[in-house]
Amino acid sequence: DAGITQSPRHKVTETGTPVTLRCHQTENHRYMYWYRQDPGHGLRLIHYSYGVKDTDKGEVSDGYSVSRSKTEDFLLTLESATSSQTSVYFCAISAGRNTLHFGNGTRLTVT
Amino acid sequence: QKEVEQDPGPLSVPEGAIVSLNCTYSNSAFQYFMWYRQYSRKGPELLMYTYSSGNKEDGRFTAQVDKSSKYISLFIRDSQPSDSATYLCAMSPNTGNQFYFGTGTSLTVIP
Repeated sequence: DAGITQSPRHKVTETGTPVTLRCHQTENHRYMYWYRQDPGHGLRLIHYSYGVKDTDKGEVSDGYSVSRSKTEDFLLTLESATSSQTSVYFCAISAGRNTLHFGNGTRLTVT
Repeated sequence: QKEVEQDPGPLSVPEGAIVSLNCTYSNSAFQYFMWYRQYSRKGPELLMYTYSSGNKEDGRFTAQVDKSSKYISLFIRDSQPSDSATYLCAMSPNTGNQFYFGTGTSLTVIP
């Protein structure tokens, strides 16, 4: 898992509640990413970070915010969860050679 | 039109068969080409990595890139039941840290 830990691994939450997912890396890589994976859509980029406090939006960023206060931690927050945000969320780091390494995902269900 | 197109399958083959998985793309700026394998309820893991055109072989796996046709392939020889997984292609341009994924092909190898 290339030194990437995602927490929690599973979460069930109610519509309208805030949710924060955490990604922790031990590799000291500069670039970190949050993706969601849904059937028929594949992996879609939500947000990414290119350094501490440096973040940018991906293709499906609406309803999500991120923060990176330390190199090793990248947080994804759903400000007010909706059923359309039920998905599997993957954190990834860019490990050089233009490749990505992924964590094992967080399975989020919004009821 | 998506930047990367991948036949979702599912693909089912007998053990020992040769498997061919393919992706097409539209962006001529892509220079880095990757194949990921994803087991159920796990994160994608990097399987093969190729820069620019040509072939790369690693054991039973061969990755091919044809930039003139904007077409990449992954061949699996002597397929095994343990190869049953979803295979994702991914691509990246020469600059920046952006990655573009296919939707994945589900493969089942029957003993």
